[in-house]
Amino acid sequence: AQRVTQPEKLLSVFKGAPVELKCNYSYSGSPELFWYVQYSRQRLQLLLRHISRESIKGFTADLNKGETSFHLKKPFAQEEDSAMYYCALSSLTGGGNKLTFGTGTQLKVEL
Amino acid sequence: EAQVTQNPRYLITVTGKKLTVTCSQNMNHEYMSWYRQDPGLGLRQIYYSMNVEVTDKGDVPEGYKVSRKEKRNFPLILESPSPNQTSLYFCASSLLAGGVNEQFFGPGTRLTVL
Repeated sequence: AQRVTQPEKLLSVFKGAPVELKCNYSYSGSPELFWYVQYSRQRLQLLLRHISRESIKGFTADLNKGETSFHLKKPFAQEEDSAMYYCALSSLTGGGNKLTFGTGTQLKVEL
Repeated sequence: EAQVTQNPRYLITVTGKKLTVTCSQNMNHEYMSWYRQDPGLGLRQIYYSMNVEVTDKGDVPEGYKVSRKEKRNFPLILESPSPNQTSLYFCASSLLAGGVNEQFFGPGTRLTVL
């Protein structure tokens, strides 16, 4: 069974400081990994996916299969980055498109 | 505007009183899914549907039913709600049931069962 672990419930950083939100996964197949973000009073939305190898809002995430990790990073935190971040793994279970989420990390960027 | 809508957004009910939470998407997506979000547990999948008349259980299906009679709608039914179903519910859809497809989420329905 697949599992996603986000060890930090809350991460507090100062504006301009680097950010790293940790995500580890366990999955026997080839993983498809995502980061979703939920800003205050807004719906959950996709931030980035590993297959795209893109940078969104300054965030990047690299899949490390050896360490089974998909940490989210940003070199300089901004106040508007404050939000709840979820790491998610997609698997095809019985033909479905199941997203297994971690428990989330609340990022708080302080001035 | 392309989106997933849910109704109601907030609901307080009593144990045993049947309720339905509606979910609708206007993106012609084949795949739809329901999740519940609980503190410390993240989001867990309840049911999903790969297309019309095709539904299957997720991780926590007990106490819930779904139907997919039309492509755009995927209602969540609680036949006899209990207090442990108090939660925040999200509906999501994606174009296809493939691993790389982005899921689009509704705004959430906060349900309280007394």
